[in-house]
Amino acid sequence: EAGVAQSPRYKIIEKRQSVAFWCNPISGHATLYWYQQILGQGPKLLIQFQNNGVVDDSQLPKDRFSAERLKGVDSTLKIQPAKLEDSAVYLCASSLRQGKYSYNSPLHFGNGTRLTVT
Amino acid sequence: DQQVKQNSPSLSVQEGRISILNCDYTNSMFDYFLWYKKYPAEGPTFLISISSIKDKNEDGRFTVFLNKSAKHLSLHIVPSQPGDSAVYFCAAEWEAGGTSYGKLTFGQGTILTVHP
Repeated sequence: EAGVAQSPRYKIIEKRQSVAFWCNPISGHATLYWYQQILGQGPKLLIQFQNNGVVDDSQLPKDRFSAERLKGVDSTLKIQPAKLEDSAVYLCASSLRQGKYSYNSPLHFGNGTRLTVT
Repeated sequence: DQQVKQNSPSLSVQEGRISILNCDYTNSMFDYFLWYKKYPAEGPTFLISISSIKDKNEDGRFTVFLNKSAKHLSLHIVPSQPGDSAVYFCAAEWEAGGTSYGKLTFGQGTILTVHP
């Protein structure tokens, strides 16, 4: 089965510019996640979608970050305007999980987009 | 507030020996724990998991142990192979009010190097 696809792989922008990341999850996976991984830290959840609805965006800096998942498949994450501290790897993950205790459905991660803000 | 901690940034082991990676957590609500492995320039890949109702889960060379009273889990790799060299992340999950399923809290990661 094809894995989670993300693009671009790398992006360098100046602070205050905007940037967008794209994710195509594994076919049939209802749940999609965006994680932020800052160098030296573990991934941190930004937002979680169930089909095209938001389940959890409590850790998304909504003044500058936005995300959408149209038609319950592909998703985009946008940062506008970017700050230096947004430099990180942005990971998209998907899962078959559609409810509580679906413990046999681990998250499958894409290879991420490495963002550098200068 | 670091709810999941991996206090060893790195671990070096000789091929064929045992690798033991440790993880501590503070949130007693966590009821499911996972280990992910990450190679450079790739996303994390699921390795092994354990429910809080168990104290051990084994899959081939990989065994995860959970000590709930100590809020501690460990990953044992026996025997270690050079291909196991990667960053290992511990992660935890809890059913928080019915909607936050699948929300993982990760540790900082431990870099494992297995020398031939």
